[in-house]
Amino acid sequence: KQEVTQIPAALSVPEGENLVLNCSFTDSAIYNLQWFRQDPGKGLTSLLLIQSSQREQTSGRLNASLDKSSGRSTLYIAASQPGDSATYLCAVSTGGSYIPTFGRGTSLIVHP
Amino acid sequence: DTAVSQTPKYLVTQMGNDKSIKCEQNLGHDTMYWYKQDSKKFLKIMFSYNNKELIINETVPNRFSPKSPDKAHLNLHINSLELGDSAVYFCASSPETAGDTEAFFGQGTRLTVV
Repeated sequence: KQEVTQIPAALSVPEGENLVLNCSFTDSAIYNLQWFRQDPGKGLTSLLLIQSSQREQTSGRLNASLDKSSGRSTLYIAASQPGDSATYLCAVSTGGSYIPTFGRGTSLIVHP
Repeated sequence: DTAVSQTPKYLVTQMGNDKSIKCEQNLGHDTMYWYKQDSKKFLKIMFSYNNKELIINETVPNRFSPKSPDKAHLNLHINSLELGDSAVYFCASSPETAGDTEAFFGQGTRLTVV
């Protein structure tokens, strides 16, 4: 059974810092890994999708890396802004069902 | 043009009632899901459904049942609602093609059982 862990659970930083959010998973036989953002009281917004054959994906100030063999992914946020404040969720699709399994998220606060 | 839409957004109901939450996707995806997000914000899969297979999380009470009138819809029906059913329920969809399984989520339905 796939288990996904995200560290840290919460993070509070001043504006402008570069951040690294971590995600680890127990079963390396994944199809893909997806990073989401969730604002309070809102739905999930997909940020980046990394296929199992890829090592990283970039979108603007976001960069996600994947190391399947070690069961890890990191989400790098450059030059953080208050608008980046949200919960960041990592989800892994595994096995024949493709069902995304989620971590418990990292709650990020970027203060001015 | 919302990709995955759920209705209602908010639902307040009494214990013991039966209710349904509707979900529609216009992405042409083959697979749809229902997730429950608890008070600690943890997203847990309830059902995965495509036209071939229904996968049920064994921890989901049988008071919950998915109903799919067609490929674009997967509704969630809940019988005999209990206080512990209060949560946010998310619908999602993804293509079935191996390797292209990016999931798209609806905005959620906040269910409050009183």
